[in-house]
Amino acid sequence: QVTLRESGPALVKPTQTLTLTCTFSGFSLSTSGMCVSWIRQPPGKALEWLALIDWDDDKFYTTSLKTRLAVSKDTSKNQVVLTMTNMDPVDTATYFCARYQSSMFDYWGQGTPVTVSP
Amino acid sequence: DIQMAQSPSSLAASVGGRVTITCRASQTVNTYLNWYQQKPGKAPKLLIYGASSLQSGVPSRFTGSGSGTDFTLTISNLQPEDFATYYCQQSYSYPRTFGQGTKLEIK
Repeated sequence: QVTLRESGPALVKPTQTLTLTCTFSGFSLSTSGMCVSWIRQPPGKALEWLALIDWDDDKFYTTSLKTRLAVSKDTSKNQVVLTMTNMDPVDTATYFCARYQSSMFDYWGQGTPVTVSP
Repeated sequence: DIQMAQSPSSLAASVGGRVTITCRASQTVNTYLNWYQQKPGKAPKLLIYGASSLQSGVPSRFTGSGSGTDFTLTISNLQPEDFATYYCQQSYSYPRTFGQGTKLEIK
């Protein structure tokens, strides 16, 4: 059974760095073709793809945020970490992690809400 | 980056009815096109992958078609649980991108 769960702070201040952890089970990120991705959704708005890390430690980022994002993995702990620097109120959103394999996001975490406010 | 444009942004339909949602890519994505359903407060759920393949467990009233730049999601015999927001997403190139969503409401 594949599960993913996001964790991290619910509230961050402007200019701070956000660190989110995705803890997963039911698959291994060392298996060829396996990837974990981050997607966010501001309140009432559309999904926005942020980043992806694959089994071979290749990393991909959305163009508009690539200077602020970093993704890493700890295969032994079944975790993927997303950091986003210089947080702004417009970054207020629910952040999802999802498994990506065979060109699709087939399993998603429940999402973790993050508010950016002084 | 490949831009994904969905239409309409919202629509209303009746239980038992049929609706079609369109997704257009700014350049070809071949058939690397997926559809997701999202209900309020929930994570998206994969419905269709590869433009036309039904994800396991998804009812056959959901149908996807298209290739290149133009795609459609059709839902037949609408059920109360189908009223939700639908997103297309391309997996042809990085960065991956989603459409802006189509909200399906009960008439």
